[in-house]
Amino acid sequence: GQNIDQPTEMTATEGAIVQINCTYQTSGFNGLFWYQQHAGEAPTFLSYNVLDGLEEKGRFSSFLSRSKGYSYLLLKELQMKDSASYLCAVNSGNTPLVFGKGTRLSVIA
Amino acid sequence: DVKVTQSSRYLVKRTGEKVFLECVQDMDHENMFWYRQDPGLGLRLIYFSYDVKMKEKGDIPEGYSVSREKKERFSLILESASTNQTSMYLCASSATPDTEAFFGQGTRLTVV
Repeated sequence: GQNIDQPTEMTATEGAIVQINCTYQTSGFNGLFWYQQHAGEAPTFLSYNVLDGLEEKGRFSSFLSRSKGYSYLLLKELQMKDSASYLCAVNSGNTPLVFGKGTRLSVIA
Repeated sequence: DVKVTQSSRYLVKRTGEKVFLECVQDMDHENMFWYRQDPGLGLRLIYFSYDVKMKEKGDIPEGYSVSREKKERFSLILESASTNQTSMYLCASSATPDTEAFFGQGTRLTVV
């Protein structure tokens, strides 16, 4: 079966750092995506991790541990515009991506 | 710039109506997908297609059908709309089934 878990909601302060976790149990694993989705809009691609370790892209970083079935998205220097839902999705190999339910992040002043 | 375009942003239909949601992509992608997104339930896959004239059921196909007559176009059909199909519908495409998906802007469908 396929199971992907993320926290439902998180709140963080402008300028702070926040870590959004994603754990997965899937029948196969090739890599993990992170998407950002603002309210009422389409998801947009943030990152894709295949190998263990941290990948940094500006204020956003994504980490993967294949052995632990775990990933996180790290957002630094939070801005109000980072208020959005963050979806992790697993590439389990030649089948459609399997999405988590998403984490709604609220950034407060 | 890559683009997935859905025909309507907002749609209101009556119970029992036949509803067509259209999606067009300009990336020459083989793979296209239809999801619905509901609060607390996340993205759920309705149908997908890996090639023209080909379709596969996703996790929640009941009450829906699809059509893919041309590579760039993937249509979702609600044969007889019901109130429990009120939702946000998202179309996506990708180069291969397991690579980055590009999403359309979504259609918020309300069935009254």
